[in-house]
Formats: sequence, C-alpha cells, structure tokens
Amino acid sequence: QKEVEQNSGPLSVPEGAIASLNCTYSDRGSQSFFWYRQYSGKSPELIMSIYSNGDKEDGRFTAQLNKASQYVSLLIRDSQPSDSATYLCAGGNTGNQFYFGTGTSLTVIP
Amino acid sequence: DTGVSQDPRHKITKRGQNVTFRCDPISEHNRLYWYRQTLGQGPEFLTYFQNEAQLEKSRLLSDRFSAERPKGSFSTLEIQRTEQGDSAMYLCASSLLSQSNTIYFGEGSWLTVV
Repeated sequence: QKEVEQNSGPLSVPEGAIASLNCTYSDRGSQSFFWYRQYSGKSPELIMSIYSNGDKEDGRFTAQLNKASQYVSLLIRDSQPSDSATYLCAGGNTGNQFYFGTGTSLTVIP
Repeated sequence: DTGVSQDPRHKITKRGQNVTFRCDPISEHNRLYWYRQTLGQGPEFLTYFQNEAQLEKSRLLSDRFSAERPKGSFSTLEIQRTEQGDSAMYLCASSLLSQSNTIYFGEGSWLTVV
C-alpha cells in the first residue's frame, strides 16, 4: 500500500470554476501535510501546508485536513489557465521523511 | 537568489559512467533531502541529512548511490556505474527543523543515461 494516494486524473475544469483535489494517507502518525504544484519539466513548488484538522485558506487556495478519515484535500477557487499543472500531495512526520503521491493532473479550460 | 541550488541542471552520461550532483541548500537550513522523480510519478525519497549527519536512507538507495554533506552545508549525490534505469530528475530540498519541516525544492538535476 502506498503511503500517500492521489487520483492521477486528469481533472479538467472550466476557467472560473472550483477545482477539487483529493489525497489519502495510510500512516496515522503523519502530522504534516503539503500541497505542491509542479509544471511540466519543473520542480515542485510549495502551495500550502496544513498540520491541524480543519480548513486553511490562502488566497484562492483552501487546504482541508481530516485526520480521522486520513484525508487531505485542496480546493482552488476561480481556477485560471495558469493553474494547469500537476498537484502533488505529501505527508509525513516532523523529524522524518515525507511521502509524495503520484500527483493529479489539472487542466483549466479557458 | 537564496533558494536551493542544484548543479548541473542536465547531465547525459553513458551507461557505466559515474556522475555526481551538487546541492546548495537555503542558507541556515539544517535539513537537506534528496529525492528522485521519474515521469508520471511523485518524488521518491532517497536520503536526508540533519547538518552533516545522514539520518535516513531509503531502501531504493542501492550501493551504487552515495550522498555526503561533509560540513553540514552543501551536499553531493554520486551514482556509480550508472544504469539506464537511473535516468530521472534528482531533486534536492532543504528545510529548517523549527518550521515544521516545510521543505523547499531546488530546480532539479536531470540525468539521462544512454
């Protein structure tokens, strides 16, 4: 079983819509979770980090964490074509390595 | 630029040759990570250092791979006797332990073994 699992997509949404990306993890000891955006041929870029149950908002991005369900999500409001990328979910313990999912490919259609 | 720096950015090598990648972390970041990423996959953990100590190595890291961080600053990742399966992007990342281990990636070093 993979430590972090994501639906690989592809996910397509029209411009201006809400994109919803989901991730589950297997290690109940994981404490830190991250969402990275990765454009083709580039390295991952940190978008959001979340450590506590609930929602965390930053501009158009909202991360949600539910430790009981071992579930992390990322909502992108008012999606723009520039949001088209692969989104990587990562989780782990402070003081330990982090596991990444395989990524979800998002396309925002103008 | 004060981000994570990696060198070289691209390397093409013949099978059987040795290659070495260098990573300069963000200044004062005490943790340094090496990941490998192949097409369509997420980054796979290879190893990490806290200061100069190598604290963990993945089972993915065969005997042909070795990493060092001799002075707790920059790090090198060497691959000996390269194989075609080593072709990937090698990502270095760093973090400051006090910031809940948020890791920041460098631009990556692309390796192609022919």
